[in-house]
Amino acid sequence: NAGVTQTPKFRILKIGQSMTLQCTQDMNHNYMYWYRQDPGMGLKLIYYSVGAGITDKGEVPNGYNVSRSTTEDFPLRLELAAPSQTSVYFCASSYDTGNQPQHFGDGTRLSIL
Amino acid sequence: AQSVTQPDIHITVSEGASLELRCNYSYGATPYLFWYVQSPGQGLQLLLKYFSGDTLVQGIKGFEAEFKRSQSSFNLRKPSVHWSDAAEYFCAVGRAGGGNKLTFGTGTQLKVEL
Repeated sequence: NAGVTQTPKFRILKIGQSMTLQCTQDMNHNYMYWYRQDPGMGLKLIYYSVGAGITDKGEVPNGYNVSRSTTEDFPLRLELAAPSQTSVYFCASSYDTGNQPQHFGDGTRLSIL
Repeated sequence: AQSVTQPDIHITVSEGASLELRCNYSYGATPYLFWYVQSPGQGLQLLLKYFSGDTLVQGIKGFEAEFKRSQSSFNLRKPSVHWSDAAEYFCAVGRAGGGNKLTFGTGTQLKVEL
């Protein structure tokens, strides 16, 4: 059982480039999330989705976009990479009842130079 | 709005010593509370969770946490720390509905001295 899989694990981008961080889960979870983790700041929610075709902004959505065409996949897109987006990005998923924990991928470490 | 405070950024304990990591939350109703652990280069792994009922909850790896409503706290404890417990620990608060979003604390980095 793979759980939540994120690709790539590492990436270096130049300022202004774009890229998509991939996330897929095989647990049939309806809820999925994208976080960024910066040193000393904990995890901040970027976007989340409560099901295919439904997405909503989290705490820090500026500079990012998401889509959810299937239950399994929840890609995160950076359109114009900026140095402030250098971070570690985590994808998570959970069942859609009120007290279920989130399951996390191993993260994507992104540097923008 | 809900919030979580982990007042200790770094903690160092000797192997075999007891451990307590502090977590204080702010939330208007009964919260859902979680502790996660993150090893270097890894994602977050759930240690334990509290939703209702018994205020002392047991988790994996010998950890436990106690929910104290009067103090708005959910501290994590372990009676005897092992070197492999060295990691970063995150407390999180959530609520039912609205996508089950979580608010995380800033984390406590645990170092274990042999």
